[in-house]
Amino acid sequence: GAVVSQHPSWVICKSGTSVKIECRSLDFQATTMFWYRQFPKQSLMLMATSNEGSKATYEQGVEKDKFLINHASLTLSTLTVTSAHPEDSSFYICSARSGTGNTGELFFGEGSRLTVL
Amino acid sequence: AQSVTQPDIHITVSEGASLELRCNYSYGATPYLFWYVQSPGQGLQLLLKYFSGDTLVQGIKGFEAEFKRSQSSFNLRKPSVHWSDAAEYFCAVLNQAGTALIFGKGTTLSVSS
Repeated sequence: GAVVSQHPSWVICKSGTSVKIECRSLDFQATTMFWYRQFPKQSLMLMATSNEGSKATYEQGVEKDKFLINHASLTLSTLTVTSAHPEDSSFYICSARSGTGNTGELFFGEGSRLTVL
Repeated sequence: AQSVTQPDIHITVSEGASLELRCNYSYGATPYLFWYVQSPGQGLQLLLKYFSGDTLVQGIKGFEAEFKRSQSSFNLRKPSVHWSDAAEYFCAVLNQAGTALIFGKGTTLSVSS
């Protein structure tokens, strides 16, 4: 089946630095990718919808200047956590939809665990 | 607003016993419903989905789910649980815009021998 890959899978950084997480659809093109955040023992919360060639759509309460999303190609979306702080430590998961329309299957990456010291 | 409720935070089932994980949704129209499984350190894997038609949906790994509109439920079942089924299970509904998924808080399944 289709594969979505995230990199890095685990990153530790100092407070105040910026971290970039990549999400790639390996064998299909995705005009839309999604970024989720998952706290321990919590559900996945949608952060933003990443649209190829245009600005991302952020969910209410998500700081777009803090979580920069770029979807430069049909197979790559990046999430940059700027000036990271310990409260940004979390598990970030991306997903991409294969096929057309809204009923194409969503495939999820393995997730990226961010720890901010 | 759409929402998904998974009433059970943690369930323990003996290996070989049957399993039912509950999921209730809040949605104005006909929902598109999903069950995902997340193993430790792994991404999410789709078990099954319901869009329309037969309300009993078959999925991978021997799982099935039944859509009951009258109860706003989409419970996941498996007749005989294996130790490898121990994982976190998430129920989700497609949002009204049809763009992204709204997840429940998940149910952790433990399997005892």
